[in-house]
Amino acid sequence: AQSVTQLGSHVSVSEGALVLLRCNYSSSVPPYLFWYVQYPNQGLQLLLKYTTGATLVKGINGFEAEFKKSETSFHLTKPSAHMSDAAEYFCAVKVGSEKLVFGKGMKLTVNP
Amino acid sequence: DSGVTQTPKHLITATGQRVTLRCSPRSGDLSVYWYQQSLDQGLQFLIQYYNGEERAKGNILERFSAQQFPDLHSELNLSSLELGDSALYFCASSSGGAGNTEAFFGQGTRLTVV
Repeated sequence: AQSVTQLGSHVSVSEGALVLLRCNYSSSVPPYLFWYVQYPNQGLQLLLKYTTGATLVKGINGFEAEFKKSETSFHLTKPSAHMSDAAEYFCAVKVGSEKLVFGKGMKLTVNP
Repeated sequence: DSGVTQTPKHLITATGQRVTLRCSPRSGDLSVYWYQQSLDQGLQFLIQYYNGEERAKGNILERFSAQQFPDLHSELNLSSLELGDSALYFCASSSGGAGNTEAFFGQGTRLTVV
């Protein structure tokens, strides 16, 4: 069965620093991969998705992710963190038309 | 605004009771998903409906049931509630069966069982 792993539960960066949130997936067939963000007391919002084609995917708010099949990874990055990026980030995998399976999430804190 | 509407936003009820959570998907979306989010379990997939039919089932308890109506709105029924059922329940919708379509999430219903 497909799954995603987000190691750790919390990451803290300084404002202006690089943001790197790791996600590894497990799937026996080519997956569709997603990153979602959840701000406090809100629902999940799509940041970006990988389906097929270009392996570097650009999303909203300056985030991007690179699909690396050889490493079964889909890490999320942003060159320069902003205070407004503080939220919880979830990686998710979907195979075919099946359900979205989420990782445990990563809480990002941005320090001034 | 994702276009997915969930009601009510908050619900407080006693153990042993039954509640119904409602979800209206985005206009035109045929698929509805239900998720439970708690601190210890994270985001758990419960069930998916596609155009009125059950499509996939996850970690949904027998005390829980769902359905999707002809107008495509969905309801999640939780019965014989226990303290451990306290959680945030999300509904999401997507346009259909294609795997590359993303799901759009509602704001959630926060259920507190006392």
